[in-house]
Amino acid sequence: DAGVIQSPRHEVTEMGQEVTLRCKPISGHNSLFWYRQTMMRGLELLIYFNNNVPIDDSGMPEDRFSAKMPNASFSTLKIQPSEPRDSAVYFCASSPGHANTEAFFGQGTRLTVV
Amino acid sequence: KQEVTQIPAALSVPEGENLVLNCSFTDSAIYNLQWFRQDPGKGLTSLLLIQSSQREQTSGRLNASLDKSSGRSTLYIAASQPGDSATYLCAVGPINAGNMLTFGGGTRLMVKP
Repeated sequence: DAGVIQSPRHEVTEMGQEVTLRCKPISGHNSLFWYRQTMMRGLELLIYFNNNVPIDDSGMPEDRFSAKMPNASFSTLKIQPSEPRDSAVYFCASSPGHANTEAFFGQGTRLTVV
Repeated sequence: KQEVTQIPAALSVPEGENLVLNCSFTDSAIYNLQWFRQDPGKGLTSLLLIQSSQREQTSGRLNASLDKSSGRSTLYIAASQPGDSATYLCAVGPINAGNMLTFGGGTRLMVKP
């Protein structure tokens, strides 16, 4: 398996624009996570899906952020409108979803909002 | 709310030294603990996963221990090499959702040749 695949790897956008980040989890994994990493706050969990259903979105910073998982092999994280403080590295991770299993991370999307 | 702390924040050692990275967490009701490695500009690579019922895990030159009662974990790296230079992150998963991880701030390790 190629691992968790994220696209794009880098995104530069202007403030106010819509940004969509994409993630393909490892085949057969039932759980998918979106994390954000910044220098100030480190790695933070944004949202957790299990079997394509959002289970916990308490980490989503505000209404400008939304995430979907239309099927088991694809998820998106959308920011609309984007702001400079959204600049960060966004990671997607997946796990088999069974008890005591490892989380596998993608390479991340580095987002810069100017 | 779970808080995870890693000490030291940065560490520089000469090649060949054995070293210990520390991780502490405030809520002992955890399901598991994972250690990750992150190279600059890269994603996270899982190193070791310790289930709450376990006390330690080993992989090659790495050994991780877990003491739930005291809220601590250590990552022991034997015979360090320059290729071990990276940031090491500790993360804990809660009882109700083991992979909803709370991360520490990381220890940035530099191993000098």
